[in-house]
Amino acid sequence: AQKVTQAQTEISVVEKEDVTLDCVYETRDTTYYLFWYKQPPSGELVFLIRRNSFDEQNEISGRYSWNFQKSTSSFNFTITASQVVDSAVYFCALSEETSYDKVIFGPGTSLSVIP
Amino acid sequence: DAGVIQSPRHEVTEMGQEVTLRCKPISGHNSLFWYRQTMMRGLELLIYFNNNVPIDDSGMPEDRFSAKMPNASFSTLKIQPSEPRDSAVYFCASSARDRGEKNQPQHFGDGTRLSIL
Repeated sequence: AQKVTQAQTEISVVEKEDVTLDCVYETRDTTYYLFWYKQPPSGELVFLIRRNSFDEQNEISGRYSWNFQKSTSSFNFTITASQVVDSAVYFCALSEETSYDKVIFGPGTSLSVIP
Repeated sequence: DAGVIQSPRHEVTEMGQEVTLRCKPISGHNSLFWYRQTMMRGLELLIYFNNNVPIDDSGMPEDRFSAKMPNASFSTLKIQPSEPRDSAVYFCASSARDRGEKNQPQHFGDGTRLSIL
């Protein structure tokens, strides 16, 4: 069975601090895909990144970076030099190749960046 | 490019009434998903379609909920009769499934905030 755990329910940081959001997943498939989505206070869900299980290279996009480690079944998300606009709920998600596009979302981590 | 379009954005209705939520996926996307989001249960997948065919409706809470996708550009989620516990934000999302790359990202609409009094 597939499962996504985001142990941090809420995080508060002061602006310009770095913050890492943890994501641990469970799957029996060898081929799967991992995602991060952002939900700002306005409510929409915004896609951030997609990773397949064969690509363990870390990814950096501006102040955002992602660390994928199959050995620990983790796909963590780091925001460097956080800004108030980063305040949002962040969801990690998993989709198994055999699931026909079905995505399981984690419970989300609410990030507050304090000015 | 037009994203996923949901209507209405807000719906307030009385218990027992029929509610119909509408979704227009991104053109060319062949998978469509309906989610419900509440504080207590988070983001739940209700049902999803591929090429207009329902693939998995195991998340539909009960018989009061039904969903249809009569064509590639339109889907509805209906609740009849509605109950206060159905109050939530309902999201529709679409993705493109092709032979080359599977499990593509889902693109979400802005959601329908439903309140059942």
